[in-house]
Amino acid sequence: ETGVTQTPRHLVMGMTNKKSLKCEQHLGHNAMYWYKQSAKKPLELMFVYNFKEQTENNSVPSRFSPECPNSSHLFLHLHTLQPEDSALYLCASSQDNGNEQYFGPGTRLTVT
Amino acid sequence: QKEVEQDPGPLSVPEGAIVSLNCTYSNSAFQYFMWYRQYSRKGPELLMYTYSSGNKEDGRFTAQVDKSSKYISLFIRDSQPSDSATYLCAMRDTGGFKTIFGAGTRLFVKA
Repeated sequence: ETGVTQTPRHLVMGMTNKKSLKCEQHLGHNAMYWYKQSAKKPLELMFVYNFKEQTENNSVPSRFSPECPNSSHLFLHLHTLQPEDSALYLCASSQDNGNEQYFGPGTRLTVT
Repeated sequence: QKEVEQDPGPLSVPEGAIVSLNCTYSNSAFQYFMWYRQYSRKGPELLMYTYSSGNKEDGRFTAQVDKSSKYISLFIRDSQPSDSATYLCAMRDTGGFKTIFGAGTRLFVKA
């Protein structure tokens, strides 16, 4: 595997379910990001981790819980989501600052 | 007022045309300016980034930054159908990792 991978690619969940999104980067980068992309809206930064430490939390509701066990892996744990949380969730990584971010293909999440 | 404004399009041009994509921004602290391309059902990929004002060229792509006007542009010469995608501008200041994205402009290049 090369670049940034995300699993699953598609996820349908009910509002009471618990699920997790996984991201893995094979680029040796130190920073990893979660973004939310909704139709016709800008990418919304959710969380940033640098060397496993969280450096940004963009006022994200607590029903989204990130986890970064090491610099190569990033998870987003989902719990009691709302229909408006349906979106494409993108993971990215970068070396040092955020000028050159490499994105994964995203997880298309639908909350029913 | 949004921090970054980008016309969503769609923009439709014939093959071979010169395409101009633009963003305006409000935060004068932004120093780094990026352009990403996103194909349908894919994640964004970085095309190029520039620091502060000026031009940068890479093949058929030219990025321009005018900090005095808070205006950035991406020009695509000799556009190809394979350039059909959504183009996202992005920018950040010198500290931290936070990057602000535009909503993207959808481009269609007709053969």
